[in-house]
Order: sequence, then structure tokens, then C-alpha cells
Amino acid sequence: QVTLKESGPVLVKPTETLTLTCTVSGFSLSNARMGVSWIRQPPGKALEWLAHIFSNDEKSYSTSLKSRLTISKDTSKSQVVLTMTNMDPVDTATYYCARIRVGATRKLDYWGQGTLVTVSS
Amino acid sequence: DIQMTQSPSSLSASVGDRVTITCQASQDISNYLNWYQQKPGKAPKLLIYDASNLETGVPSRFSGSGSGTDFTFTISSLQPEDIATYYCQQYDNLPPTFGQGTKLEIK
Repeated sequence: QVTLKESGPVLVKPTETLTLTCTVSGFSLSNARMGVSWIRQPPGKALEWLAHIFSNDEKSYSTSLKSRLTISKDTSKSQVVLTMTNMDPVDTATYYCARIRVGATRKLDYWGQGTLVTVSS
Repeated sequence: DIQMTQSPSSLSASVGDRVTITCQASQDISNYLNWYQQKPGKAPKLLIYDASNLETGVPSRFSGSGSGTDFTFTISSLQPEDIATYYCQQYDNLPPTFGQGTKLEIK
């Protein structure tokens, strides 16, 4: 059974750094056909892709947020970590991690429940 | 970045209606297009991948078509449980990008 679960602070202050952890089970982060993406959704707004990482450590970032994001993984702990620096109230959103299934296709086939992060002083 | 434009942004339909949503890419993305369903307060769920392939366990009333820049998502007979927001997403080019969503309501 594949599951993903996001964890991290529910409240951060402006200018602080956000660190979110995605803990996965039911698949391995060393599997060449799997990766993990982070996606966020401000309240009442659309989904926004943030970053992904694959087993070979290939990483990619949102064009607009690239300078603020870092994604990494700890395969032994089955965890993917996303950090976002210099948080602002506009970064208030639900943050999701999702599994990427790759091969001839590339799809986000399992999602975590999401974690709401509020940025406020 | 590739821009994905969905239409309409919202629509209201009756149970049993055929519902169609379109998604247009700003450049050719072949068939690298997925559709997701998001119910209120829940995480998105994959329905269609590679433009027209039904994800395992998804009811057959959902379907997708298209290639290149123009794509269509269809619900053949709307059910009450289909009330949700639907998103298209391309992954032909990095970064992957989502459409702005189509909110579906029951009339």
C-alpha cells in the first residue's frame, strides 16, 4: 500500500525558512521508476508544481521559485525534504507531496493528504 | 514555461449530463497530459494519464482525448459524486504545469 505523508510547521513567520518532510511507504526512493514531487495550493486557488527529485538524484524546480527552493532525499529514511527560504504571506498554502511514476509515462499517481502552512507574524 | 489554459473555469450541469472540459497548451506537448480530480478539502486524484489512458480503478464514464495542443476531458454521464475541481497537467517540458482548474457543480 503506497502512502505519502507531509509534516512540518503549521505556522511560520515572514522571512523564515520552511522545512517540509514527505515520508513515504509502500515504495522505495531508490526505485528508478519512482520520484517525488512537491505541489502547493493557496486557499481557493489552483495547484502549483514546486519541485521533484528522482532516485538518481535528478532534481528540477519551479522557474519562479527556483532561487528559494531546495529538495533532497534520505532513501534510508524514506523521506523527501523541501526547504523554502524567505517565506512570505503569499506562500500560505496547502503543500502536497506526490509520487511520480515514470517510464513511458510520467504521472502523479499517489498524493499525500497535504499540510496547510500559514505565513504570518 | 508551458501555459495550460482550461475552459470553462466553472460549469453547472445536471445529473446524467455529458460534461466536457478542454485544456489547451501553449505549445505542442504530444500526448503528455494528465487529468486530476480534486474534491473539496481533499488531495487531487489522478484520473487520466497520457491524454487518454484511464488510471486503474477510475470509472469508465471518465475519458480523455487529444494530442499536440488541444485536449478534452469528458464525463459521459455526470454523477453527484463527480462534483469537484478538475485540473489538466502537462509534463512534456520541465517544469510540469497545471491548468487553472474547472469547478464542476450540480445544477
